[in-house]
Amino acid sequence: SQTIHQWPATLVQPVGSPLSLECTVEGTSNPNLYWYRQAAGRGLQLLFYSVGIGQISSEVPQNLSASRPQDRQFILSSKKLLLSDSGFYLCAWSPRHIVQNTEAFFGQGTRLTVV
Amino acid sequence: GENVGLHLPTLSVQEGDNSIINCAYSNSASDYFIWYKQESGKGPQFIIDIRSNMDKRQGQRVTVLLNKTVKHLSLQIAATQPGDSAVYFCAENLEGGSYIPTFGRGTSLIVHP
Repeated sequence: SQTIHQWPATLVQPVGSPLSLECTVEGTSNPNLYWYRQAAGRGLQLLFYSVGIGQISSEVPQNLSASRPQDRQFILSSKKLLLSDSGFYLCAWSPRHIVQNTEAFFGQGTRLTVV
Repeated sequence: GENVGLHLPTLSVQEGDNSIINCAYSNSASDYFIWYKQESGKGPQFIIDIRSNMDKRQGQRVTVLLNKTVKHLSLQIAATQPGDSAVYFCAENLEGGSYIPTFGRGTSLIVHP
């Protein structure tokens, strides 16, 4: 069965420090991968998605970047965090090579607080 | 999307009542819709889906209704329980495109015992 791992679960970082959040998927190949951000009490904002190794699409301009060094690994990074980067970050995957649409499968999220 | 920065609307119900959560989607070309449930501090989980060739689909205690004419989706939860308290999101997918889950605004459901 497929599983998605996202870590750390919580993170407190000072303003101006770097960020690296990692997400890995097991039990599937060639997944579509996504990073979302959710502010407290608000909806899900798509940040990045990837359809293959080294292929990253950005949905919104921001202080963050994403990379996909391996097929099942998706990394969210920042060189210098801002207070506004605080939020709940969610990684997700969906199958790519299928005919019909399916759901996205989410990790448990990382609660980032920038202080 | 333009709705992600807004506070979530809230629906409060009593335990045992039926709940109806509504969602408006944006693209008339969307052909697949999903409802997710997000409990506090966790990632969203799949509840039920529906394709555009259907207008109703039932699961266990949940029913999704799709009205393509007005681009409206609803989730009905029968005999709501305290464990149903969560944020509910609808998501749409575009026909023929790469699957990029596009989420609606979300609704916070609060069930009072």
